[in-house]
Amino acid sequence: ETGVTQTPRHLVMGMTNKKSLKCEQHLGHNAMYWYKQSAKKPLELMFVYNFKEQTENNSVPSRFSPECPNSSHLFLHLHTLQPEDSALYLCASSQGGRGTSVEQFFGPGTRLTVL
Amino acid sequence: GIQVEQSPPDLILQEGANSTLRCNFSDSVNNLQWFHQNPWGQLINLFYIPSGTKQNGRLSATTVATERYSLLYISSSQTTDSGVYFCAVEGSYGQNFVFGPGTRLSVLP
Repeated sequence: ETGVTQTPRHLVMGMTNKKSLKCEQHLGHNAMYWYKQSAKKPLELMFVYNFKEQTENNSVPSRFSPECPNSSHLFLHLHTLQPEDSALYLCASSQGGRGTSVEQFFGPGTRLTVL
Repeated sequence: GIQVEQSPPDLILQEGANSTLRCNFSDSVNNLQWFHQNPWGQLINLFYIPSGTKQNGRLSATTVATERYSLLYISSSQTTDSGVYFCAVEGSYGQNFVFGPGTRLSVLP
């Protein structure tokens, strides 16, 4: 596969469930990102990882827990979410991290619905 | 932090028409990208253009960094051009990548 892939593409979960979103990049990049896109709001950066180290946590609630085991994989673990967390979650990667002025490439997203 | 505005918020065109989308930003930038988000949510890279002019087929973009704006031109629009167009910037002082609110384009047959 090429580019940035995300699984699952759609997810419906209850507020007491625990689930994980997965992102994999096949571009040889060293930085990965999670973004949230809610209805009628601009995309919001959630987390940034550069060489597996978290370099940014944009005031995200602790019910979202990221994990980056290597430069190619990024997870977002979800637990005790709220209905307002329903959104499109997008993963991206780039060759450099913040401040290196490089192009970001996005995956297809996971559309999450919290009941 | 850096602010990004896009205009117009909505645009309806007849197939074959040309259009210009604008992105204004409040501070100097190191990175500016234009994306097209298709109806399934996929963000497709159109241009990486922190300055200058680029062209790719029917699309072209110009960024005038000193005046803090970028323009995306779509010529001979097609129905497949429909979707939301986002401008995103990274400030010169290490700010995060910030997205504008988008322009929703509808191209009618």
